[in-house]
Amino acid sequence: DAGVTQSPTHLIKTRGQQVTLRCSPKSGHDTVSWYQQALGQGPQFIFQYYEEEERQRGNFPDRFSGHQFPNYSSELNVNALLLGDSALYLCASSLRDPFTDTQYFGPGTRLTVL
Amino acid sequence: KQEVTQIPAALSVPEGENLVLNCSFTDSAIYNLQWFRQDPGKGLTSLLLIQSSQREQTSGRLNASLDKSSGRSTLYIAASQPGDSATYLCAVEYSNYQLIWGAGTKLIIKP
Repeated sequence: DAGVTQSPTHLIKTRGQQVTLRCSPKSGHDTVSWYQQALGQGPQFIFQYYEEEERQRGNFPDRFSGHQFPNYSSELNVNALLLGDSALYLCASSLRDPFTDTQYFGPGTRLTVL
Repeated sequence: KQEVTQIPAALSVPEGENLVLNCSFTDSAIYNLQWFRQDPGKGLTSLLLIQSSQREQTSGRLNASLDKSSGRSTLYIAASQPGDSATYLCAVEYSNYQLIWGAGTKLIIKP
């Protein structure tokens, strides 16, 4: 059973460019969350998608947008990249089960903005 | 504001010792609390999840407790091993589906 997968593994962009990160959830999961983790810090919640809609959003600007497809996979888009966007971007999937609700994380995409 | 704090930020102990990692949260109206492990350059692995109605969870040498009234959780690691070296993160989920994270405790187990 494949776990959560993310692509690409690493990415280098320059300021002002746009980037798209992709995530495939664990089989059977219907909820995808995205997090940004700066070096030495805990992850910060960006947003969560459920049934192809953004269900909740953290404190991130509109430059960060996302999408969930009918097969539950998801994309994170970041426009007008800033140096401060350099981070590890983590995708997590879960099944909205009130008794388990464990989030499973992918290995992340390391984004470097030059 | 919902905040999660982990103390200490780093910990180094000899192999075989029992140890405790601490997590505190400001808003006690939690949905659940999770402990994760993160190895360098890698994603996160869920270790234990405690629902708001539970007091503790155990998995092997790991035991996590939850005291909502005081806004605290502890992760107890028994008989530590070098393979336990990693960063341990505490995350609290609220009813708005957001996970609020601590900055983590970097644990080093010396052989």
